[in-house]
Amino acid sequence: QKEVEQNSGPLSVPEGAIASLNCTYSDRGSQSFFWYRQYSGKSPELIMSIYSNGDKEDGRFTAQLNKASQYVSLLIRDSQPSDSATYLCAVIPSGGSYIPTFGRGTSLIVHP
Amino acid sequence: ETGVTQTPRHLVMGMTNKKSLKCEQHLGHNAMYWYKQSAKKPLELMFVYSLEERVENNSVPSRFSPECPNSSHLFLHLHTLQPEDSALYLCASSQEGGGGSYEQYFGPGTRLTVT
Repeated sequence: QKEVEQNSGPLSVPEGAIASLNCTYSDRGSQSFFWYRQYSGKSPELIMSIYSNGDKEDGRFTAQLNKASQYVSLLIRDSQPSDSATYLCAVIPSGGSYIPTFGRGTSLIVHP
Repeated sequence: ETGVTQTPRHLVMGMTNKKSLKCEQHLGHNAMYWYKQSAKKPLELMFVYSLEERVENNSVPSRFSPECPNSSHLFLHLHTLQPEDSALYLCASSQEGGGGSYEQYFGPGTRLTVT
């Protein structure tokens, strides 16, 4: 069973702080990694994709991938109350599959 | 808008009804998915259609029946549902193979309530 693990939270950070969300995965051969944001009652929205080791930055978001340690993280700088949502990590396993495995998500609360 | 639309957005049905959910993607993708998301539970993959093949989660009851007439349209036919089937049903699409990014884009979902 190829697993994707996330701390369910909630992770509570003050406005303006850096929020750090983490995800670990069991399949060492995984190549594609995604972060989705899901507001309550809404559908998941893709915010970052990362395919190689290192950091990838997009605005206030930075995805970090470490394949040797089998984790991927999402940093949100200058957190805003509007960032309060559940963040889902998704990983496409090895073996030729194109179907991602989703984590259970981490709830983020940014308080003013 | 992600380029994936779903109708209806809300549906209330009795246990003896038959209804269908519709999904359409305008992204030129070649794979489409149905997911179920219940309250406080993770996404559950139900069905996948890719290049006209079907992959299914064997734990999905037969009262859910998918149909994919072409690469842009996906249906989920519902019959004799149970109250525990009440959930958010999400459609997604992606580009599989041929240099595709495998990124999934979700529709807005159908909120289903079974009474």
